[in-house]
Amino acid sequence: DGGITQSPKYLFRKEGQNVTLSCEQNLNHDAMYWYRQDPGQGLRLIYYSQIVNDFQKGDIAEGYSVSREKKESFPLTVTSAQKNPTAFYLCASRGGDGVNTEAFFGQGTRLTVV
Amino acid sequence: QKEVEQNSGPLSVPEGAIASLNCTYSDRGSQSFFWYRQYSGKSPELIMFIYSNGDKEDGRFTAQLNKASQYVSLLIRDSQPSDSATYLCAVRKFSGGYQKVTFGTGTKLQVIP
Repeated sequence: DGGITQSPKYLFRKEGQNVTLSCEQNLNHDAMYWYRQDPGQGLRLIYYSQIVNDFQKGDIAEGYSVSREKKESFPLTVTSAQKNPTAFYLCASRGGDGVNTEAFFGQGTRLTVV
Repeated sequence: QKEVEQNSGPLSVPEGAIASLNCTYSDRGSQSFFWYRQYSGKSPELIMFIYSNGDKEDGRFTAQLNKASQYVSLLIRDSQPSDSATYLCAVRKFSGGYQKVTFGTGTKLQVIP
């Protein structure tokens, strides 16, 4: 089945630790996105990538890093520089540049700092 | 000014009524507009998208776009309790040679049985 998979579903991080969230898609989509959602809030863009080996900062990139070495994969690292990382993280992908192409979301990773 | 603005609600409507959800955006260069539904603790799922001025209907849902007023709306006819969720408006535009999608904060809809 084609889709976009995020793992793990739940993740706990200690203060000062880096953690990496996985996002894999087998939809052959070029564009991939990472969003953060806080309780009662909308989605805020962290990073996005249009093609392999290229990515752009979104609105809240500080404290995060990404890589795009393969078309299928767009992992997000939450570094110790991110002071308030507890949130729901959503990865999305989109195929094509047409105005009528939509983004598909993974099931999300809920990150909690302990 | 936020790029995409929505009333956070909650918007309460009785079962069977029409729910009207509104969204405004700031960038006139925006090209495509999306409505997502998000149940609590779940990821967003696409309901509709629209990119031309006017109305687009799909079942009980109608999206309306007015680019001159920078306004997009979603109408839900015959609202059902299962429609109770947060509705996110998203706007896509070119930014620095890239397609960027920006979301509003969402409107919480409650359909009262």
